[in-house]
Amino acid sequence: AQRVTQPEKLLSVFKGAPVELKCNYSYSGSPELFWYVQYSRQRLQLLLRHISRESIKGFTADLNKGETSFHLKKPFAQEEDSAMYYCAPEDSNYQLIWGAGTKLIIKP
Amino acid sequence: SQTIHQWPATLVQPVGSPLSLECTVEGTSNPNLYWYRQAAGRGLQLLFYSVGIGQISSEVPQNLSASRPQDRQFILSSKKLLLSDSGFYLCAWRGRGVGNTIYFGEGSWLTVV
Repeated sequence: AQRVTQPEKLLSVFKGAPVELKCNYSYSGSPELFWYVQYSRQRLQLLLRHISRESIKGFTADLNKGETSFHLKKPFAQEEDSAMYYCAPEDSNYQLIWGAGTKLIIKP
Repeated sequence: SQTIHQWPATLVQPVGSPLSLECTVEGTSNPNLYWYRQAAGRGLQLLFYSVGIGQISSEVPQNLSASRPQDRQFILSSKKLLLSDSGFYLCAWRGRGVGNTIYFGEGSWLTVV
């Protein structure tokens, strides 16, 4: 079965420091990959997707097919980045497979 | 624009009572519809999804059921709630095709007492 792993349940960094949220998936194909974010008291929403190759709120994510990873990065963390982040690759049936999520806390 | 709304936002129900959570989508047609349960530290668990009216796929065996009586309406139900059914439930919709974004409702907190 296809799986996605977000190894850190909690990640705490200081404001201004770089952030990397890890995501590894087990799928031999070329899935579409997404990062979703849930800010406090807001609904779960799309942050970015691999196919768009975009930077949203300073975040980028690079697909490494060799390592089957799709880590989320931001060079300088801001306090408003504190949230729950989910990695979600698409499986062969075009269904999203969800990671367990990483809670990101940005300390002032 | 498309919107998704689910209700009620919070619900406290006694053990053994029935459940009905409703979800409606506006501004799109023939969406894929989903019910998830979100648990702390365990991410999103897909409970049911539907590709059309009356078509329901169940991902995990449980005390819950789902129905899609109309194209943009998705209902999560139970005949008799268990304590273990307590949790946060999310409805979501997604357009057809590869790589589409999934959009979530506000969520419903269910507490079974």
